[in-house]
Amino acid sequence: AQSVSQHNHHVILSEAASLELGCNYSYGGTVNLFWYVQYPGQHLQLLLKYFSGDPLVKGIKGFEAEFIKSKFSFNLRKPSVQWSDTAEYFCAVRLSGTALIFGKGTTLSVSS
Amino acid sequence: NAGVTQTPKFQVLKTGQSMTLQCAQDMNHEYMSWYRQDPGMGLRLIHYSVGAGITDQGEVPNGYNVSRSTTEDFPLRLLSAAPSQTSVYFCASRTGGANVLTFGAGSRLTVL
Repeated sequence: AQSVSQHNHHVILSEAASLELGCNYSYGGTVNLFWYVQYPGQHLQLLLKYFSGDPLVKGIKGFEAEFIKSKFSFNLRKPSVQWSDTAEYFCAVRLSGTALIFGKGTTLSVSS
Repeated sequence: NAGVTQTPKFQVLKTGQSMTLQCAQDMNHEYMSWYRQDPGMGLRLIHYSVGAGITDQGEVPNGYNVSRSTTEDFPLRLLSAAPSQTSVYFCASRTGGANVLTFGAGSRLTVL
């Protein structure tokens, strides 16, 4: 069965530090890839997505992610985090014709 | 457009009670789904529907029933609540051709 692995359960950073959250998936075919963010007390919002084309995708609030097909990875990055980036981040994968499968999430805590 | 509307936002049940979590969307989305979110587990798919009259099971369907009599509504029923069903439930929808899910605000259920 397909699966999505997020390597870090909890990441703690200071403001202005760089961020990279890992995401790997287990399927070798064509996939659609997503990162969702959930701010405290709120519902999930789409951060960015990859369907095809340029493997480096840019999302909202300065986030970007790179799809590396050979590594089955879709890592999320941000050069300089802010306190307002404190949230839970979910990687998700969708195969053609199937439902969206989520990773277990990474909690990011940013101290000011 | 109201988007995806979930009710109630909060509910406390006793073991063995039944209840229905409501989900409605006004975007004419064909696809609707229910997830549950638990700490350290991410979001897990309970049931989904690709259109009116069609439903299918997700990753964790046991203890839950769904129906899709209209395009707009996708209620989730707990026939006999158990403490293991204490969770936050999210309804999400999308158009048939799109891959981006729109999430509701969530329903927090506690089963005592």
